[in-house]
Amino acid sequence: GNSVTQMEGPVTLSEEAFLTINCTYTATGYPSLFWYVQYPGEGLQLLLKATKADDKGSNKGFEATYRKETTSFHLEKGSVQVSDSAVYFCAPSSSGGSYIPTFGRGTSLIVHP
Amino acid sequence: DAGVIQSPRHEVTEMGQEVTLRCKPISGHNSLFWYRQTMMRGLELLIYFNNNVPIDDSGMPEDRFSAKMPNASFSTLKIQPSEPRDSAVYFCASSLGRADNGYTFGSGTRLTVV
Repeated sequence: GNSVTQMEGPVTLSEEAFLTINCTYTATGYPSLFWYVQYPGEGLQLLLKATKADDKGSNKGFEATYRKETTSFHLEKGSVQVSDSAVYFCAPSSSGGSYIPTFGRGTSLIVHP
Repeated sequence: DAGVIQSPRHEVTEMGQEVTLRCKPISGHNSLFWYRQTMMRGLELLIYFNNNVPIDDSGMPEDRFSAKMPNASFSTLKIQPSEPRDSAVYFCASSLGRADNGYTFGSGTRLTVV
């Protein structure tokens, strides 16, 4: 089965700092890769995705590149804002069978003004 | 689109009572998923439906849990009888086609069993 490893955090940054949240995974077949974000009191929202090697997913200033050779999908943002404070989930989706994503435990990000 | 709609947002019930959580997926989405989120276990997939048919319920913790999807626009998750350890946030999500198109989650139901 699939598995995901990401730092649990919390990651604490000052506004305008550079963000990296590491994600490595194991998955059967050739997975699609996702990052979801969960703001306080809300459900998860799809942030970005990549479906093949070397693809870069991007949205709202966040980026992640599908690295097949290192089985990684690290999330980056050049300048975080207070409004980015949330929990971020990395989730590979297997290419075989049901394509159900495997969610990690999430990484909490706290951005201070 | 109003998104995935869950009700109620909050539910407080006494141990032993029946609890029913409701979900309306996005119109046109043909897959529906029920998740449970707790601090201890994170996000757990309970069951998912494809075209209203339950495909995998291996995540349902016990026989006290049951889920139905009588039509494409409605699903329920029932717990009978409820126990304090069922306290969690329950999320419903839907997707179009293959799940690698990404999910749309509802805002969740926070269940507290006292």
